[in-house]
Amino acid sequence: DAGVIQSPRHEVTEMGQEVTLRCKPISGHDYLFWYRQTMMRGLELLIYFNNNVPIDDSGMPEDRFSAKMPNASFSTLKIQPSEPRDSAVYFCASSVAQETQYFGPGTRLLVL
Amino acid sequence: TQLLEQSPQFLSIQEGENLTVYCNSSSVFSSLQWYRQEPGEGPVLLVTVVTGGEVKKLKRLTFQFGDARKDSSLHITAAQPGDTGLYLCAGALGYSTLTFGKGTMLLVSP
Repeated sequence: DAGVIQSPRHEVTEMGQEVTLRCKPISGHDYLFWYRQTMMRGLELLIYFNNNVPIDDSGMPEDRFSAKMPNASFSTLKIQPSEPRDSAVYFCASSVAQETQYFGPGTRLLVL
Repeated sequence: TQLLEQSPQFLSIQEGENLTVYCNSSSVFSSLQWYRQEPGEGPVLLVTVVTGGEVKKLKRLTFQFGDARKDSSLHITAAQPGDTGLYLCAGALGYSTLTFGKGTMLLVSP
């Protein structure tokens, strides 16, 4: 199994630009989670889906952030417009029935 | 306020030494997980503890869940350079999602 796949692995962009992060969960997993990791705040849950439906987005910082899961094998996290304080590592994770979460390698985002 | 406090934040030791890291909270968790995260990678689950007072061993790693299910510890015996990484604890409140601590960064030097 290839595990959770995220792209891109690294993203450098300028303030105000749109950023789209992508995730392919492990086949057969029915939960998908988006996290953000920073030194200051640690690993924070942004949003999670069950069977492609968003369940809890209370962790999404503000309206500039949006996430979609159009099918069981693909999800996106979009930031528009991006700001320097959005710089962080963004992780996607998937699981079966909220059991063990398997994390992807992350996308390192730097907003200048 | 962080729901889960991990200590110490950083730990630098020599190969062969023993160490213990802690995960504390004022909340009662239905289960608690420990993850290790290596540089440039995502966290990987090491263990899940569910019962108060439970002790689990994974080779040289010993995990303990507090009797009141509010805290946990991870003890590593004879640490090796391959143990280097960020150790994260994460608690589950009922059937809700996980809440992560900020982690303990461990560096084991040869």
